[in-house]
Amino acid sequence: AQSVTQLDSQVPVFEEAPVELRCNYSSSVSVYLFWYVQYPNQGLQLLLKYLSGSTLVESINGFEAEFNKSQTSFHLRKPSVHISDTAEYFCAVTLTGGGNKLTFGTGTQLKVEL
Amino acid sequence: DVKVTQSSRYLVKRTGEKVFLECVQDMDHENMFWYRQDPGLGLRLIYFSYDVKMKEKGDIPEGYSVSREKKERFSLILESASTNQTSMYLCASSPTGGWSPLHFGNGTRLTVT
Repeated sequence: AQSVTQLDSQVPVFEEAPVELRCNYSSSVSVYLFWYVQYPNQGLQLLLKYLSGSTLVESINGFEAEFNKSQTSFHLRKPSVHISDTAEYFCAVTLTGGGNKLTFGTGTQLKVEL
Repeated sequence: DVKVTQSSRYLVKRTGEKVFLECVQDMDHENMFWYRQDPGLGLRLIYFSYDVKMKEKGDIPEGYSVSREKKERFSLILESASTNQTSMYLCASSPTGGWSPLHFGNGTRLTVT
């Protein structure tokens, strides 16, 4: 079975600073990888996904994540964060032949401060 | 836009009560899911369904059951609510295909006293 580890439960950062949220997964077979974001009092929204091809994927609001197969990682980065990026971020994995049954990490709370 | 609607935002029930959490999606998605979200534990899959009248157990099905009589509606049932079922419950739907993203409702915060 697959699993996801998010090493940091909370990440405080000042506005306009860069940030990296770490995600490692374990699986013996091919996977799809996702980052979801949850703003306060809302459900989760898809931020970006890796299915195949280029290992670097980007979102429309400046986040990017890089799939590293040898390190089994899918870290999320943003070069300059904004107050509005304050949210909880979840990494998730599913097997390529396993339907949409996602396994989520425990989440990282990103708090952007002035 | 896909809309996943959960009938209640907040719910308070007593121990031993039978509780129904309702979820409706408007995009004709085949797949529907129920997760619970707890601090420090992330999201854990309770049950999912790939089609009408079909259901499969997720990682933590004990104490729960589900019903899917119509494609757009997926109900989570707590047969006899207990305090350890106090949690945020999230419903999600998606079209077929492992690459398809999940669309989530805003959640139901259930408190069992």
